Amino acid sequence: GAVVSQHPSRVICKSGTSVKIECRSLDFQATTMFWYRQFPKQSLMLMATSNEGSKATYEQGVEKDKFLINHASLTLSTLTVTSAHPEDSSFYICSASPSGGEVGELFFGEGSRLTVL
Amino acid sequence: GQQVMQIPQYQHVQEGEDFTTYCNSSTTLSNIQWYKQRPGGHPVFLIQLVKSGEVKKQKRLTFQFGEAKKNSSLHITATQTTDVGTYFCSSGNTGKLIFGQGTTLQVKP
Repeated sequence: GAVVSQHPSRVICKSGTSVKIECRSLDFQATTMFWYRQFPKQSLMLMATSNEGSKATYEQGVEKDKFLINHASLTLSTLTVTSAHPEDSSFYICSASPSGGEVGELFFGEGSRLTVL
Repeated sequence: GQQVMQIPQYQHVQEGEDFTTYCNSSTTLSNIQWYKQRPGGHPVFLIQLVKSGEVKKQKRLTFQFGEAKKNSSLHITATQTTDVGTYFCSSGNTGKLIFGQGTTLQVKP
């Protein structure tokens, strides 16, 4: 199957700092990528849809100025958590689907566990 | 908005026992997907169902989509310790999926 890589896998930062997470599609081009957030023992919540060359589409309740998304190329999307606070601590996972693939078949990155002190 | 409810939240079984998780929606779903997430890992796509009454099998796993396309189930026959993880159902379009709460399976050897 398609490969999506995410970096870093773990990051610890101080409150007030910004953290950037990268998501790369390694063997296919992704015009669209999806960012999810998962709290411990909970489900995946879609945060935003990252669109190559245009603005991201955010889900209701997700602050676009807090979670900056950039999708500058067909293989890379980045999520920047700005002015992070302890409540932003979570597991952030990106996903993508090759064109021509099944509608519901998403390939997920390994995830990035963010801990804000 | 569209929601998918999944039960049970947790299930502990003895190795060799069967396991079933259920996914329900109040609205008709165009499709249903099942994903597995191992502890500490990321979700991995298992299967997608799109047709009313569809049944698909993958070795010991049987997936069903209800006739009314409002519910789905995943059944594992004779569980093994490698089946441990959280199983999520999801539904959606163009990759924008809404996930159920997940069922976490623990298997005692």
